[in-house]
Amino acid sequence: QSALTQPPSASGSPGQSVTISCTGTSSDVGGYKYVSWYQQHSGKAPKLIIYEVSERPSGVPDRFSGSKSGNTASLTVSGLQLEDEADYFCFSYAGSDNYLFGTGTKVTVL
Amino acid sequence: EMQLVQSGGGLVQPGGSLRLSCAASGFNFSNNNMNWVRQAPGKGLEWISYISRSSTTIFYADSVKGRFTIYRDNAKNSLYLQMNSLRAEDTAVYYCARGWLQFDSWGQGTPVTVSS
Repeated sequence: QSALTQPPSASGSPGQSVTISCTGTSSDVGGYKYVSWYQQHSGKAPKLIIYEVSERPSGVPDRFSGSKSGNTASLTVSGLQLEDEADYFCFSYAGSDNYLFGTGTKVTVL
Repeated sequence: EMQLVQSGGGLVQPGGSLRLSCAASGFNFSNNNMNWVRQAPGKGLEWISYISRSSTTIFYADSVKGRFTIYRDNAKNSLYLQMNSLRAEDTAVYYCARGWLQFDSWGQGTPVTVSS
């Protein structure tokens, strides 16, 4: 199976909001609630910021929120801060033994 | 403090073998499912393998099936990835990650380069 589709880049000024999409199919994103999002700063390991579509792990700021509509999941970062500049990857369970990451989106804070 | 500390990466020739290790501390390792995820240079993340708490369920991505073996030693709080028949396209940073259906903790990553 192919990776989930994300826009290569997104940007916003400090204080603004940015939304990243993650498009799959009814066999993955659209079929399960197991969509998660990961933030990866350059040269670092990924960090879980959203799980089960819209749940936030302890310690993750509420500026990060997730949602899903049909076969597309979205991550919104509100009140952008300089430290939010990173790569973001979505992930979805795709049934049986299939697990898919998104292609990744580089967020730039202008 | 919960930690996953990786070791074992390096340079290997095509067709060669390498074993990666991931040592867990600060949490009950035997109660947690584990995974390996890799990231080729400048590329995105790729899930490659999963092992359940008691090793009864194991999954592999098609890209590594038949060449890589995931296993764990709960007595040693350690996860392993035995990689055989390595190819240039296996060059990546390899991460161990805790969880099933989402990955809430990650190792620091270990680079693997397959080149002659």
